[in-house]
Amino acid sequence: EIVMTQSPATLSVSPGERVTLSCRASQSISSNIAWYQQKPGQAPRLLLYTASTRATGIPARFSGSGSGAEFTLAINNLQSEDFAVYYCQQYNDWPRGLTFGGGTKVEIK
Amino acid sequence: QLQLQESGPGLVMPSETVSLTCSVSGGSISRSSFCWGWIRQPPGKGLEWIGTVYDSGGTYYNPSLRSRVTMSVDTSKNQFSLHLNSVTAADTAVYYCVRPAAVGSNYYGMDVWGQGTTVTVSS
Repeated sequence: EIVMTQSPATLSVSPGERVTLSCRASQSISSNIAWYQQKPGQAPRLLLYTASTRATGIPARFSGSGSGAEFTLAINNLQSEDFAVYYCQQYNDWPRGLTFGGGTKVEIK
Repeated sequence: QLQLQESGPGLVMPSETVSLTCSVSGGSISRSSFCWGWIRQPPGKGLEWIGTVYDSGGTYYNPSLRSRVTMSVDTSKNQFSLHLNSVTAADTAVYYCVRPAAVGSNYYGMDVWGQGTTVTVSS
């Protein structure tokens, strides 16, 4: 099973700042990674797939990069609605397997 | 606009089987090449993929749950289902039904989610 490790577990930031979240795979997954945002009491929302392609309706301040085993989600000009938990998901073995990272919580400083 | 809605018992006894249904609206479940899935989230924890089912009946399950999971599609009702047997307290979670945006071997993320249903395993 491919293990996804996200860091840090929590980020304390101020509105307007830029943040970067990291996700590391236990083996190379090419660009087969997606990112999700989850707010309290809500289902996750798809942000990015194929490492850097934004899903429909996702603002341009969200961007993704990386390939192989190291990936980054960046959020520019952090808005109040961006405070949430972010998960990465690898799908290198699709459809036989999918695994998520443990999540990074972005909280207000 | 495609929408998903989970339904099922909120409380299940240990060792029993929990059965959940996901009703699909705004589109046909049997549209070619689509698949459907389940994700769960224990209280205060992260997301876990349970499995994927195709309208043809083909399935893929998380290896850690494979021995206890069955998924199926009912095209006549535009629904798909999850059955998890021999449940324990560790199966207590919010269960989400999802629609992976996938065509054949190409996957583009899980772009449609239900609101989730809470399942508590307790005597």
